[in-house]
Amino acid sequence: AQKVTQAQTEISVVEKEDVTLDCVYETRDTTYYLFWYKQPPSGELVFLIRRNSFDEQNEISGRYSWNFQKSTSSFNFTITASQVVDSAVYFCALSPIIQGAQKLVFGQGTRLTINP
Amino acid sequence: DTEVTQTPKHLVMGMTNKKSLKCEQHMGHRAMYWYKQKAKKPPELMFVYSYEKLSINESVPSRFSPECPNSSLLNLHLHALQPEDSALYLCASSQAGTGADTQYFGPGTRLTVL
Repeated sequence: AQKVTQAQTEISVVEKEDVTLDCVYETRDTTYYLFWYKQPPSGELVFLIRRNSFDEQNEISGRYSWNFQKSTSSFNFTITASQVVDSAVYFCALSPIIQGAQKLVFGQGTRLTINP
Repeated sequence: DTEVTQTPKHLVMGMTNKKSLKCEQHMGHRAMYWYKQKAKKPPELMFVYSYEKLSINESVPSRFSPECPNSSLLNLHLHALQPEDSALYLCASSQAGTGADTQYFGPGTRLTVL
């Protein structure tokens, strides 16, 4: 069975602080993909990153960085120098490799509030 | 361009009404998805169309009827809904519907059933 756990339901920080959102997943597959999506109050899910299970390199994109550790089944997301515009719900998701379909397994989401 | 559009943005309907939600993408994607999202919950998959054929139906009640007229369009026909069907309905598309895809989501339709 596939499962994604985002243990932090809500996080609130002051602007310019660094914040890390945790994501732990469970799968028996050796090949899979991991994703992070951002959902601002407007409702649209915005794609942030996709990582396959064979690529454990950490990635940095501006103020965003991701730490993928297969040994601990974690794919954590860090925002450096947070800004009010980063306030949103963030979802981590797992995509097992299923022939002919993609069924994302979402975590419950972490609601991030950045206070001015 | 990674844009998926959805209309309408908001919809209020009675339990006896028939309405439709529309989704469109022009990225050349061959897989399209409908999700339902309740407040403070992650999206729940409802249907997947791959190459214009229904490939996944997550045991959705028949009062929801999907339709894929062509590879760019996806409709969700609604009939005799219940108040508990009130939710945000999200459409997404991806390249081919495989596990390696990236899904791109539309802004959603906020549905209220009275």
